[in-house]
Amino acid sequence: GNSVTQMEGPVTLSEEAFLTINCTYTATGYPSLFWYVQYPGEGLQLLLKATKADDKGSNKGFEATYRKETTSFHLEKGSVQVSDSAVYFCALNRVAAGNKLTFGGGTRVLVKP
Amino acid sequence: DAGVIQSPRHEVTEMGQEVTLRCKPISGHDYLFWYRQTMMRGLELLIYFNNNVPIDDSGMPEDRFSAKMPNASFSTLKIQPSEPRDSAVYFCASSPRGERQTEAFFGQGTRLTVV
Repeated sequence: GNSVTQMEGPVTLSEEAFLTINCTYTATGYPSLFWYVQYPGEGLQLLLKATKADDKGSNKGFEATYRKETTSFHLEKGSVQVSDSAVYFCALNRVAAGNKLTFGGGTRVLVKP
Repeated sequence: DAGVIQSPRHEVTEMGQEVTLRCKPISGHDYLFWYRQTMMRGLELLIYFNNNVPIDDSGMPEDRFSAKMPNASFSTLKIQPSEPRDSAVYFCASSPRGERQTEAFFGQGTRLTVV
């Protein structure tokens, strides 16, 4: 079946530091890959996505590249801010699986001033 | 569009009581999902609908849980009777039909506490 594995947190950083959150997946066929972000007390918001191999998703300074050869979709940001403190979820879906999202366990990121 | 709307935002109930969570998906979306989030188990898919029809309810924990979608603009998740271990945040999400996979849009969630 489909599965997503992401690094466990919490990840604690200083402002302006470089952030990487690793995500690898297992899936048959050609899934789409997503990063969602959850701020305290809120629902999940789409951060970025990539629908095919070698695509790069980007938003708000975050980037992730769909790597089929390594089945990975690592999230990166060059200079984090305190406002980036949140829980980040890697996810995939496939049309053949009813478009339902399979999530990783989430990674809590805390950025200190 | 106002996005996915869930109600109530918070619910506190006593063990044994019936609880009903409500969701209004984004207009025009064909898929509706119910997820549960807990510290121990993370995000779990409970059930999802396509065009108001339940497609996969294998994530529903037990018979105490039921979900309905009587029309394209409304869905409910019911727990009867509720138990303390049902305490969690319940999210509803919807997504449009597309040739390729599309993302799901989440509501703000309902925080359920069963005492």
